Amino acid sequence: GAVVSQHPSRVICKSGTSVKIECRSLDFQATTMFWYRQFPKQSLMLMATSNEGSKATYEQGVEKDKFLINHASLTLSTLTVTSAHPEDSSFYICSASRGTAGYGYTFGSGTRLTVV
Amino acid sequence: GESVGLHLPTLSVQEGDNSIINCAYSNSASDYFIWYKQESGKGPQFIIDIRSNMDKRQGQRVTVLLNKTVKHLSLQIAATQPGDSAVYFCAEGPAGSSNTGKLIFGQGTTLQVKP
Repeated sequence: GAVVSQHPSRVICKSGTSVKIECRSLDFQATTMFWYRQFPKQSLMLMATSNEGSKATYEQGVEKDKFLINHASLTLSTLTVTSAHPEDSSFYICSASRGTAGYGYTFGSGTRLTVV
Repeated sequence: GESVGLHLPTLSVQEGDNSIINCAYSNSASDYFIWYKQESGKGPQFIIDIRSNMDKRQGQRVTVLLNKTVKHLSLQIAATQPGDSAVYFCAEGPAGSSNTGKLIFGQGTTLQVKP
């Protein structure tokens, strides 16, 4: 079946530094990738949608200059949290879609980001 | 605005009993619905999906029911097991989705299975 690998699973960084999270589709080409953020005991909140080779579309209220998304290939999308602050601490999850009806969405295992 | 919500934040059931998790959605034009299971510290895991042209779909120990009249979705888990303990989310795909559009997630229901 479709597998999405997300790394790292956990990261601790100092306030003011940047962190990159990778999301790879291992056995299929992901036309579209989605990035979500999830705070404790809350639901998944969509941050942005990225299509291979084009700029990401950000949801309202999400700072595009702070959360940089790159989807340079059909198997890799990255999310970079720039100048991280403690309030950016959260669980970040990616999802990939083949862009073909019937194949659904495959989620990564998530990245726990802690900013200290 | 559009939203997908759940009636019960926590559901506690006895092992072996059946579980029913409910979800209400507000966009009558929604075409595609998915149930996900999320264990602590992990990403969502696909359980079952259903399109708006169906009112019932069955999987292994799970059944999803869709009532478009009242915009209600439910997940039934038969013979609930301790391994079913997790948070369950319903998600709504956009109208006319070809499984490529963004998903809107509901609040989530925590299922606790008592031994």
